[in-house]
Formats: sequence, C-alpha cells, structure tokens
Amino acid sequence: QKEVEQNSGPLSVPEGAIASLNCTYSDRGSQSFFWYRQYSGKSPELIMFIYSNGDKEDGRFTAQLNKASQYVSLLIRDSQPSDSATYLCAVNGNNAGNMLTFGGGTRLMVKP
Amino acid sequence: AAGVIQSPRHLIKEKRETATLKCYPIPRHDTVYWYQQGPGQDPQFLISFYEKMQSDKGSIPDRFSAQQFSDYHSELNMSSLELGDSALYFCASSPGQGAIYEQYFGPGTRLTVT
Repeated sequence: QKEVEQNSGPLSVPEGAIASLNCTYSDRGSQSFFWYRQYSGKSPELIMFIYSNGDKEDGRFTAQLNKASQYVSLLIRDSQPSDSATYLCAVNGNNAGNMLTFGGGTRLMVKP
Repeated sequence: AAGVIQSPRHLIKEKRETATLKCYPIPRHDTVYWYQQGPGQDPQFLISFYEKMQSDKGSIPDRFSAQQFSDYHSELNMSSLELGDSALYFCASSPGQGAIYEQYFGPGTRLTVT
C-alpha cells in the first residue's frame, strides 16, 4: 500500500462547478498536509496546507482534514479552465527531516 | 515576492559525466530540500538541510552528494551520471524545520543524460 494515495483521474468537471479531490494516507503520525498544483513540465505550486482537523478556506479553495479517517480533500469552487492541472497531495509524516511524501496526483480537467 | 532560484534550468550531460545543480532559497529560509521527479512520477525526496547540516536523507544514490553553504544556498553534485538520472530536479525551501512549515518549490532543473 502506498503511503499516500490519490485517484489518478482524470477528473472532468464543467466550468463553474465544484471539483472535489481526495487523498488518503497510511501513517497516523503524519502531521501536516499540503496540496500542490502542477502544470505539465512545471514545478509544484503550493495551493493549501492544513494540519488541524476540520476545514480551511482560502478564496475558491477549501482543504478538509479528517485525521481519524486519514483523509484530506481539496474542494475547488467555481472551477475555471485555468485550474486544469495535476493536483498533488503531499504529507509531512512523522520524520525528522520533514520530507514530503506525495500521492500520485489527480489530473483535473475543467471543460468550458 | 522572491522565490526559490535554481540553476541551470536545463542541463544536458553524457553518461558517466558529472553535474552540479544549484539552489538559492527564498530569503530568510534556512531549510532546503531536494526532490527528483521522473517522467509521469511523483517528486521523490532526496535530501534536506537545516542550518547547513543534513537533516534527512531519502532515496539519494551514493553517486550524489549535496551540501548547504553559509549563505544557505545548496548544491547537488551528481557523478557517474546514468540514463536513469534524467529527470526534473526540484529544490524547495521553508522558513524553518518543522512539520508546520510549508515548502516552496523552485522552477526546477531539467537534466537530460544522453
């Protein structure tokens, strides 16, 4: 079992809809959780991070964390074609160096 | 806002050659991470430094070494290059060492080994 898992997609949503991206992790000691957006051939861009149970909102983005169920999700409201990218879930586990472990990424396609 | 700077952006080397990748973290960031991303794969953690000391080591081959200098920039040295080393190499920085600190990625160096 991979330490961090995401549905690879593609997830296709119409413009203006809500896109829901999910991620599960196996290490119960994981402390913080990040969502990165990555366009093809570009570097990961930090979208959201969360380390407390519950919801965290920033503009059109909401991150949700449930440590008991070991999942974290990202909601994108009013999806735009420019949101089309791969979304990487990254987990900072219980390790000294704070390395990030990434899920496989979910490819999101927002259709006009 | 200032971002992580990496150089060179593109590098072409032949098998068995050496390469040096450089990373300049965001100002006042004291922690640097190196990741390798192969085609169609996740970024994989290689090594990290905090206050010029190695803090963690991942799947970094013995042919690779890295260090962080007094000005906090970091260099990744790669020797005896193999075809499989062709990948995007990202440097990330954070303002401290701890799980609560987010990591910001640089633009990456695309290494091609022929």
